[in-house]
Amino acid sequence: AQKITQTQPGMFVQEKEAVTLDCTYDTSDQSYGLFWYKQPSSGEMIFLIYQGSYDEQNATEGRYSLNFQKARKSANLVISASQLGDSAMYFCAMREEDTGRRALTFGSGTRLQVQP
Amino acid sequence: DGGITQSPKYLFRKEGQNVTLSCEQNLNHDAMYWYRQDPGQGLRLIYYSQIVNDFQKGDIAEGYSVSREKKESFPLTVTSAQKNPTAFYLCASRRGLLYNEQFFGPGTRLTVL
Repeated sequence: AQKITQTQPGMFVQEKEAVTLDCTYDTSDQSYGLFWYKQPSSGEMIFLIYQGSYDEQNATEGRYSLNFQKARKSANLVISASQLGDSAMYFCAMREEDTGRRALTFGSGTRLQVQP
Repeated sequence: DGGITQSPKYLFRKEGQNVTLSCEQNLNHDAMYWYRQDPGQGLRLIYYSQIVNDFQKGDIAEGYSVSREKKESFPLTVTSAQKNPTAFYLCASRRGLLYNEQFFGPGTRLTVL
């Protein structure tokens, strides 16, 4: 069974600084996808970034980058130049490739607070 | 604008009542999903559907039922058999097997009184 672990329940960062949110995963699948979602207080889930298990380069999307270390089974999210609007819950998730359902398995999340 | 709508945003239910949560998408996506989120936790899969007229149980399907009679609609019924239904419910869709991203609706917050 797949498992996602986020060990940081909460993080603080100063505005304009970079922050790294940790994510480790466990799977026996050879092919899988890793996702990061942002959940503001309103509740919607906002897709941030995706990394495929066979992608050789780390994914980047604007201020978001994914530090993918396959041997360590980690997929940390790096947010550069933090903004006040980045304050939210952040979830790491994995997509099952070897089953038909292609659903996401989520970690427990990290609450990020950006301080002015 | 294309997207996923969920209604209602807030729902209150008395114990012993069944309630149905609506999920509609106009993205022409094949697959749809229902997740449950409890406070301070991640999302857990309730049911999913890869195609019209077909759906499968997820990890926590007990006490829930779904239907998929139309491509754009995937309603979730929370039955009286669900012992602890108070939670935030999120619907999602995905275009097809070759696509990565799941798009989420705004969610329905269900409270049992």
